[in-house]
Amino acid sequence: AQSVAQPEDQVNVAEGNPLTVKCTYSVSGNPYLFWYVQYPNRGLQFLLKYITGDNLVKGSYGFEAEFNKSQTSFHLKKPSALVSDSALYFCAVRDMRTSGTYKYIFGTGTRLKVLA
Amino acid sequence: DTEVTQTPKHLVMGMTNKKSLKCEQHMGHRAMYWYKQKAKKPPELMFVYSYEKLSINESVPSRFSPECPNSSLLNLHLHALQPEDSALYLCASSQDRQGAGYGYTFGSGTRLTVV
Repeated sequence: AQSVAQPEDQVNVAEGNPLTVKCTYSVSGNPYLFWYVQYPNRGLQFLLKYITGDNLVKGSYGFEAEFNKSQTSFHLKKPSALVSDSALYFCAVRDMRTSGTYKYIFGTGTRLKVLA
Repeated sequence: DTEVTQTPKHLVMGMTNKKSLKCEQHMGHRAMYWYKQKAKKPPELMFVYSYEKLSINESVPSRFSPECPNSSLLNLHLHALQPEDSALYLCASSQDRQGAGYGYTFGSGTRLTVV
């Protein structure tokens, strides 16, 4: 079965410093990986995805993620954190059902707190 | 229009009430989803509709009844809920049931409290 793991419940980083939010995956076949962000009392917002191609994927709001096949990781990064980046971040992998419909399997989430 | 709109934003209902959650999108997406999210937890898939047909039911209790009247609208009918059903209910859509190629668009959710 497909799965993703986010080993950190919370990450604290000072404003202006680089940030990394970790995600590792376990899939059979080629992984389809995603990052979403959730602000309080809001739905999830798509940040970026990896399907194929370059290992470094660029997404919304200056975020990027690096796909590392040998380490089965898909860490989210940003060169310079903003206080407004403080939110809950979810890594997800696509899982296919026998019906041919796909669903996401979400990680447990990492709360990012950027300190002014 | 690039949004998924959910109404109401907040709902408080008694255990004997019947209520409905509504979700609407006008992006031409043909797959729509209901998720349930408890505090500080990841969203959990409840239902998937693909081309207005129910494609996935994740063994959700029958007190939750989904309905997809047309390609733009998704409802979740609620009846005889329990306090543990209190959660944020998220609707999402994608271009098709393969969804993942383009990502999902999520609504802001309905915060449901069952008293």
